[in-house]
Amino acid sequence: QKEVEQNSGPLSVPEGAIASLNCTYSDRGSQSFFWYRQYSGKSPELIMSIYSNGDKEDGRFTAQLNKASQYVSLLIRDSQPSDSATYLCAVVYNTDKLIFGTGTRLQVFP
Amino acid sequence: GAVVSQHPSRVICKSGTSVKIECRSLDFQATTMFWYRQFPKQSLMLMATSNEGSKATYEQGVEKDKFLINHASLTLSTLTVTSAHPEDSSFYICSARGGGTDQPQHFGDGTRLSIL
Repeated sequence: QKEVEQNSGPLSVPEGAIASLNCTYSDRGSQSFFWYRQYSGKSPELIMSIYSNGDKEDGRFTAQLNKASQYVSLLIRDSQPSDSATYLCAVVYNTDKLIFGTGTRLQVFP
Repeated sequence: GAVVSQHPSRVICKSGTSVKIECRSLDFQATTMFWYRQFPKQSLMLMATSNEGSKATYEQGVEKDKFLINHASLTLSTLTVTSAHPEDSSFYICSARGGGTDQPQHFGDGTRLSIL
C-alpha cells in the first residue's frame, strides 16, 4: 500500500523562527511531490512542487527532496502567525493518484 | 492563474435529497478532475478520478451509483450525491489538473454537505 507519512503535530514555533516540516513516502518510483497548506475549514492550497533531488526555494518557503531516503521536507523561514495551518505532503504514484499524508499542524505564536 | 471554482459552498438538506456539486476550472483546461471527501481531523480521501468525455474511475468502496460524476467538458465536472443520508455529511472538495501526472492539482473551495 502506498503511504505518505507525516507527524501530526502540533508543531509550535515562535514568530520569526524557521518551521521544519517532514514527510516520508513508501514508493521509490515516485517522481512528483507537492506541499499544500490547508487552513481549518478550507480546501488545500498549493505551496510548492518539487521533482528533483535537492532544494527548491520560493520566497520564505524551501522544499527539500531526497529520493534515496524517500524524504521530502518543507522549511518556512521567518514564520508568521498567518502560517498557522495544516501542511499536507502529497506524492504522485504511478497510478496517477495524488496520495496525501495526514498533515502536520503548525502553530506560530507571537 | 489555475483557479478552480466549486459551488455551492454549503448545502443543508433533508435525508433522501439528491445534491449536485459543480466544479469549474476558470482559466485553464482540466484534462482530469478529482473528487475528494474529508471528514473532520482526517486527510483527504480520493473518491473518483474523472477525465473529460470518459466514465469516472471510482476508488474502492465508493459507490458509483450513489456518487454520480459527469465530466462533460474540459472546464466542468459535477458530482451528484443521490438520495443523501446523514452519513454522507462531509466536506467534498474537487480538484483539477491541466496537464500530465507531474502537474499539481488545484483545488476548489469545497462544499460542506450536511444531511439532516
